[in-house]
Amino acid sequence: AQKITQTQPGMFVQEKEAVTLDCTYDTSDQSYGLFWYKQPSSGEMIFLIYQGSYDEQNATEGRYSLNFQKARKSANLVISASQLGDSAMYFCAMREGSGATNKLIFGTGTLLAVQP
Amino acid sequence: ETGVTQTPRHLVMGMTNKKSLKCEQHLGHNAMYWYKQSAKKPLELMFVYSLEERVENNSVPSRFSPECPNSSHLFLHLHTLQPEDSALYLCASSQDQGRLAGGRTDTQYFGPGTRLTVL
Repeated sequence: AQKITQTQPGMFVQEKEAVTLDCTYDTSDQSYGLFWYKQPSSGEMIFLIYQGSYDEQNATEGRYSLNFQKARKSANLVISASQLGDSAMYFCAMREGSGATNKLIFGTGTLLAVQP
Repeated sequence: ETGVTQTPRHLVMGMTNKKSLKCEQHLGHNAMYWYKQSAKKPLELMFVYSLEERVENNSVPSRFSPECPNSSHLFLHLHTLQPEDSALYLCASSQDQGRLAGGRTDTQYFGPGTRLTVL
């Protein structure tokens, strides 16, 4: 069964510093997709970044980058130059590569607090 | 108006009430989803509609009844709920590409959620 593990319930980071949020996954599929979402206190889940299992390059989107280590089954999110507005819950999710529906499996999330 | 919208944003209801949550997407997508987010638990997928047909139902209690009249609108009808149903209900949409597995185009975009409290 597919599974997403986020082992850090909470993280602190100083403003302007970089932070890494951990995510490991478990799947027997060869083809899959990995997603990171941000959830501020307002509740909306905001899509941040995507990594496909066959992508050779690590994904980057502005200040967000994904450290994808396929052999270790990890997909850590790196946020560079943290800002106060980055304080939020962050969720890692995986889309299974087969099946009739676009089904996401989510981790339990990491609460990031950016300190001034 | 852009993205995915949900109404109401907050709802308080008694166990005998009947209410409905509404979701609307303005992204031209063909698939819509309902998720439940309870405290300290991962998001739980409740229902999936693709091309207005329900294709996934993760054994959700019958007191939750979804309706998808067209590809832009999704409802969740609620009746005789229990206090443990109190949660954040999130709607999402995506462009279902069929079996192009793992593609970025499958990205789900979420609405702001309805925070439901059942008394």
